[in-house]
Amino acid sequence: EDQVTQSPEALRLQEGESSSLNCSYTVSGLRGLFWYRQDPGKGPEFLFTLYSAGEEKEKERLKATLTKKESFLHITAPKPEDSATYLCAVPALAGSARQLTFGSGTQLTVLP
Amino acid sequence: NAGVTQTPKFQVLKTGQSMTLQCAQDMNHNSMYWYRQDPGMGLRLIYYSASEGTTDKGEVPNGYNVSRLNKREFSLRLESAAPSQTSVYFCASRVGSSYEQYFGPGTRLTVT
Repeated sequence: EDQVTQSPEALRLQEGESSSLNCSYTVSGLRGLFWYRQDPGKGPEFLFTLYSAGEEKEKERLKATLTKKESFLHITAPKPEDSATYLCAVPALAGSARQLTFGSGTQLTVLP
Repeated sequence: NAGVTQTPKFQVLKTGQSMTLQCAQDMNHNSMYWYRQDPGMGLRLIYYSASEGTTDKGEVPNGYNVSRLNKREFSLRLESAAPSQTSVYFCASRVGSSYEQYFGPGTRLTVT
């Protein structure tokens, strides 16, 4: 069974205090790992796709990296507007419509 | 482009009542999905439709039915609502061969 585990569940940072969020997975034959951002009261918004170990993607203050067992979302010098829940997902093994299995997310709060 | 739209945004039902959640996308996507999101449990797939005219069960289909009305619209029906169905419901769609999904803004449902 696919397993996606995110840690920590919640993270509070001061503005400018860099940190990392973790997404570990137990999927054989990974066909991609996906990061989403979810603001309160809104639907998830796609951020990155990573396909192979060693791959990195960047967007503003966010950088996603991938190893064979986990992915990290590094946040450099965060601002209050980076506050959100960050979700990771992997393709599900079963099904005909390229479903995703999601982790439960990390709720990030950046304090001014 | 409105993307993925959902109606209603909020709904309160009494136990045993029925209702239909509506979802539409204007991106010409083939695949559409219904998820529920509960605290600490992440996004769980209820039903999906790989293409117009087909629907399949996801992880948590009990108590729900779906209709893929046409390529644009995918509705979720609760025939007899139960308090356990109190949740936030998200519709999503996907294009082509990618796994990247685009989400609607969600419907917050409370069953009393």
